[in-house]
Amino acid sequence: KNQVEQSPQSLIILEGKNCTLQCNYTVSPFSNLRWYKQDTGRGPVSLTIMTFSENTKSNGRYTATLDADTKQSSLHITASQLSDSASYICVVSDRGSTLGRLYFGRGTQLTVWP
Amino acid sequence: EADIYQTPRYLVIGTGKKITLECSQTMGHDKMYWYQQDPGMELHLIHYSYGVNSTEKGDLSSESTVSRIRTEHFPLTLESARPSHTSQYLCASSDPLTSGEQYFGPGTRLTVT
Repeated sequence: KNQVEQSPQSLIILEGKNCTLQCNYTVSPFSNLRWYKQDTGRGPVSLTIMTFSENTKSNGRYTATLDADTKQSSLHITASQLSDSASYICVVSDRGSTLGRLYFGRGTQLTVWP
Repeated sequence: EADIYQTPRYLVIGTGKKITLECSQTMGHDKMYWYQQDPGMELHLIHYSYGVNSTEKGDLSSESTVSRIRTEHFPLTLESARPSHTSQYLCASSDPLTSGEQYFGPGTRLTVT
């Protein structure tokens, strides 16, 4: 069964600190993996996208890694800011259909305290 | 910022009423999607469309219906709202030229009393 599991479910950190969010998936055949940021009451916004051959990608203070062999990804946030408080969703796409089926994790709810 | 819009943003309505959630995009994307999301849970695909006059049901069974008469417009309708329909509804569209990247609207928070 194709699944995406994220950990931790929630995380509280102090402003300025770093943190790492985890994503494990069983989706096959794999096409790409995306990390989205979803602010409360808003739609998800893409942070990074990685294909099978990419093992790291950065977007400002966000750095995503991918290990396609172990089917694991992480999102590292550096020097956190209050505006980083949001849900971070890992999304994996398969190659098995023309729709490009997306499998969503439940997200990690990050809270950054001043 | 993606050019995809949803109205209304919030809706509180009584049981039995008919409602239509609007979704429009100005990017010319052929593929559009509707997702349902409950608090703390993953997004579930309820409808999608490959283009004009194409609509398909998603993975999560839904009593809602959709139509795609114009490329830019993908409304979702509930003929008779029930409390079980209370949820957040997210519309998205995708561009095949960017690895199928999906761009999401801001969502409609629906509460049925």
